[in-house]
Amino acid sequence: GEDVEQSLFLSVREGDSSVINCTYTDSSSTYLYWYKQEPGAGLQLLTYIFSNMDMKQDQRLTVLLNKKDKHLSLRIADTQTGDSAIYFCAESIGPGGATNKLIFGTGTLLAVQP
Amino acid sequence: NAGVTQTPKFQVLKTGQSMTLQCAQDMNHEYMSWYRQDPGMGLRLIHYSVGAGITDQGEVPNGYNVSRSTTEDFPLRLLSAAPSQTSVYFCASRQGVVGNTIYFGEGSWLTVV
Repeated sequence: GEDVEQSLFLSVREGDSSVINCTYTDSSSTYLYWYKQEPGAGLQLLTYIFSNMDMKQDQRLTVLLNKKDKHLSLRIADTQTGDSAIYFCAESIGPGGATNKLIFGTGTLLAVQP
Repeated sequence: NAGVTQTPKFQVLKTGQSMTLQCAQDMNHEYMSWYRQDPGMGLRLIHYSVGAGITDQGEVPNGYNVSRSTTEDFPLRLLSAAPSQTSVYFCASRQGVVGNTIYFGEGSWLTVV
């Protein structure tokens, strides 16, 4: 089946690193995504990783993918209060192309303490 | 370039009423979709479209209809609203190839009483 799981809550202090974890079940995932949702706002694409990659770095964000364990993580370096939001992991299911659908996790609420 | 525009942002409906959530994008994207977001459930796909004239069901299609008469517009219709359809609805679009940036609307908060 298709399932994406995340822990519901993470609290960190400003300046520390945050690590948000995600596990997925479908081994045919082609792309895995991280989205950020601020209160009362839509979903913002943060970054994504192709399934044949192990790591992707983009400024303060580092994505690690362990395909064997079906585990994805998002590390935010030097976490700021503006990073407080809900973070969604999503996997793209299907053989590729326009018909692939996204399966989202439940979201992790990141609370950054000043 | 406005991106993905959803209307209305907030709506309260009575059980049994019908309504349409509008979604428009001005990026000439082929792929459009509708999701609902419920507490503890993440985002679930309702319907999607890979181009004008083509629609298909997602995970939770019951109680909803869609149409795609133009590339720009992808309205979501609630035929007979039920309290279980109280949710936040997001429209999304992307260019066809998987991995391209997916753009979301700001969400439509719907309450059915």
